[in-house]
Amino acid sequence: AQRVTQPEKLLSVFKGAPVELKCNYSYSGSPELFWYVQYSRQRLQLLLRHISRESIKGFTADLNKGETSFHLKKPFAQEEDSAMYYCALSGITSGTYKYIFGTGTRLKVLA
Amino acid sequence: NAGVTQTPKFQVLKTGQSMTLQCAQDMNHNSMYWYRQDPGMGLRLIYYSASEGTTDKGEVPNGYNVSRLNKREFSLRLESAAPSQTSVYFCASTSRGYGYTFGSGTRLTVV
Repeated sequence: AQRVTQPEKLLSVFKGAPVELKCNYSYSGSPELFWYVQYSRQRLQLLLRHISRESIKGFTADLNKGETSFHLKKPFAQEEDSAMYYCALSGITSGTYKYIFGTGTRLKVLA
Repeated sequence: NAGVTQTPKFQVLKTGQSMTLQCAQDMNHNSMYWYRQDPGMGLRLIYYSASEGTTDKGEVPNGYNVSRLNKREFSLRLESAAPSQTSVYFCASTSRGYGYTFGSGTRLTVV
């Protein structure tokens, strides 16, 4: 079955500490992986795509096909990083393009 | 600005009333989606339209109907609102290989 698992509902870290938001996936094939961010009472915004291998707002994510993971990392957390983060994958299943979201992790950065 | 536009932003309904949530995108995306977001449950797919002229059920379609009016517009209808449909509703669009672009959401309360 295709799924995206974000094992932590809530992650609290202190300002300046490293952050790692975990994402594991199950998919038969070669999916594309994404991270989205949702700041308080705002719309979800695309943060990262694994294809582009970019760094946005200091965040990076590496696709590990062996471990089927796409963890989101930042070396030094900032208070403005406090938000809800969703991992998602897309791919073709039975001839249909599908998009699957994880249940999200709330990141709280403490002063 | 290019993007996904949702209306209304807020709505209060009485149980049994009907309403239609409107969504339009101007990015020439093929696929459009309706999600609901509830505390602790992440995003749940209600319906989606992979391309103009097609619609399919998602994870939680009961109590909803959709119409893909044209490539730009994808509406969500609640025929007889129930308190369990109190939620924040997001419309999104994408074309294959790209991330989602989300609307700003509709906060619906059914009393």
